[in-house]
Amino acid sequence: GENVEQHPSTLSVQEGDSAVIKCTYSDSASNYFPWYKQELGKRPQLIIDIRSNVGEKKDQRIAVTLNKTAKHFSLHITETQPEDSAVYFCAASRNAGNMLTFGGGTRLMVKP
Amino acid sequence: DAGITQSPRYKITETGRQVTLMCHQTWSHSYMFWYRQDLGHGLRLIYYSAAADITDKGEVPDGYVVSRSKTENFPLTLESATRSQTSVYFCASSEGQREQYFGPGTRLTVT
Repeated sequence: GENVEQHPSTLSVQEGDSAVIKCTYSDSASNYFPWYKQELGKRPQLIIDIRSNVGEKKDQRIAVTLNKTAKHFSLHITETQPEDSAVYFCAASRNAGNMLTFGGGTRLMVKP
Repeated sequence: DAGITQSPRYKITETGRQVTLMCHQTWSHSYMFWYRQDLGHGLRLIYYSAAADITDKGEVPDGYVVSRSKTENFPLTLESATRSQTSVYFCASSEGQREQYFGPGTRLTVT
């Protein structure tokens, strides 16, 4: 089955700096890669996703890049703010809406 | 988000007891999922369902039973709870090629 690895497990940045979280996956048939943000005590919520026919996608301060050849994808957050502090999870699936395999999560701390 | 709910939100039970966690969604989504979240393991899929009366195992199904007689409900039963099943359980739903929406979670403690 699919295996998703996520790095780093914790990340501390100063407010205004950029943050990058990286994930690798094992199943070359995976074609859907969402990123979820989970605030303390809350449910995971989708912040951005990318499909395998796209190399990069942006939404305001967040962007995701995908390298299918290397089987890795990354989340980029620019101009970080304290409210970006949360745990971020990457995931991979053969189809959006189908089984997701999650990475282990990254705890992002943005220091004011 | 109000379209998917879980009950109870908190549960304490004893080892060996049967406990059922409920999940209800109002969107008529075809797919429903159960995950458990533990420190150091992220989110792991327990069971999922593609439609009413269709269920399949995920990554960690042992010790759990699911059913889906109606599209909107997807209960998860721990037949004989063990301490290793202490966790936060999330239900999720999705439709077609779209994102999964998560419920608020159930925090289960097995003593």
